[in-house]
Amino acid sequence: GENVEQHPSTLSVQEGDSAVIKCTYSDSASNYFPWYKQELGKRPQLIIDIRSNVGEKKDQRIAVTLNKTAKHFSLHITETQPEDSAVYFCAAKAGGTSYGKLTFGQGTILTVHP
Amino acid sequence: SAVISQKPSRDICQRGTSLTIQCQVDSQVTMMFWYRQQPGQSLTLIATANQGSEATYESGFVIDKFPISRPNLTFSTLTVSNMSPEDSSIYLCSVETGAGGYTFGSGTRLTVV
Repeated sequence: GENVEQHPSTLSVQEGDSAVIKCTYSDSASNYFPWYKQELGKRPQLIIDIRSNVGEKKDQRIAVTLNKTAKHFSLHITETQPEDSAVYFCAAKAGGTSYGKLTFGQGTILTVHP
Repeated sequence: SAVISQKPSRDICQRGTSLTIQCQVDSQVTMMFWYRQQPGQSLTLIATANQGSEATYESGFVIDKFPISRPNLTFSTLTVSNMSPEDSSIYLCSVETGAGGYTFGSGTRLTVV
């Protein structure tokens, strides 16, 4: 089955700096890659996603890049703000016989210091 | 996009008892997914629930421990049976939205004492 590895597990930046979180996946049939932000005590919230026919997607301060050949994708947050502090999860949606299942990375605790 | 109502939001249960968690979706969906999130950990898929058929369980999860019902296209329940302290977790349901993404219920925080 799919395996998603996420790095780093913790990331500490100063307000205004950029933050990058990286994920690799194992199943070449995976075709959808969302990123979720989870604040303490709350449900995961989708912040951006990308499909396998696209290499990059941007939404204001957040961007995601996908390298299908290398099977990795990354989340980029620019001009970080204290309210960006949360746990971020990447995920991959399986294709083939496992269609529809999301496999999550281990999570990254992002702390933005004012 | 779909909106999910999940309940209860939290519960404290005695070991050996069972708890049933409910998820109601405001639109019809083919698949509903049940996840477990242990303290400080990521989300792990327990099972996929399809209407009209038995749920498909992931490795490490069995029907006797986590029976699932899916009586129609907008509702599902997950029961955590014969609970032990190791079952203390957040349980979340999820569905695929019309846009192709996934949304989550608000979660059930379970503490087993």
